[in-house]
Amino acid sequence: QSVLTQPPSASGTPGQRVTISCSGSSSNIGSNAVKWFQQFPGTAPKILIYSNNQRPSGVPDRFSGSKSGASASLAISGLQSEDEADYYCAAWDDSQIGYVFGTGTMVTVL
Amino acid sequence: QVQLQESGPGLVKPSETLSLTCTVSGDSVSSSSYYWSWIRQPPGKGLEWIGYTYYGGSTNYNPSLKSRVTISVDTSKNQFSLKLNSVTAADTAVYYCARASLTMIAYWGQGTLVPVSS
Repeated sequence: QSVLTQPPSASGTPGQRVTISCSGSSSNIGSNAVKWFQQFPGTAPKILIYSNNQRPSGVPDRFSGSKSGASASLAISGLQSEDEADYYCAAWDDSQIGYVFGTGTMVTVL
Repeated sequence: QVQLQESGPGLVKPSETLSLTCTVSGDSVSSSSYYWSWIRQPPGKGLEWIGYTYYGGSTNYNPSLKSRVTISVDTSKNQFSLKLNSVTAADTAVYYCARASLTMIAYWGQGTLVPVSS
């Protein structure tokens, strides 16, 4: 049962900027840092963004994250064909004392 | 380099118990810095956190699964395990083990698909 709400899909042409939203509540995004994961079919999710806007080494700077209140967003600038994947947000939830995940967004490159 | 690997039966019958083990290399499951976690993903659906063990044996579970889940740790083998009882078809999923912290979930196993079917 996903607690964080994302749009089911997003799309763009190569080179465009795509933004994915993630809506939560005061017990998760509102009080804890947001992470973003990228997942290709048949593989485990990979950390893309942590601490709202930090990129692990090796993640292109085309990916950026932001947070405001109980919502967050992931932006992909200069969209490339290899960005076609599912994207999930996540945050620690103080009520569950564990992680909650977003519903997931499938990004399509047209 | 930290690596996690899930193992367990590939098929479980309804009403029985699903059992999986995660073998960790490159870190210790006794580490007080991390939450050694189980996460699942039904086919074509999103991710669901199941629960975790930390501090060498303490646990916490997703409230929606709490009555059916047990996570335990074997420090001598550097493994942690998941047991989910009274399974139904709704428990069919890819099960991942992962190393989590409050900062990130940086390391995941490759995942193992566990169908629940008679």
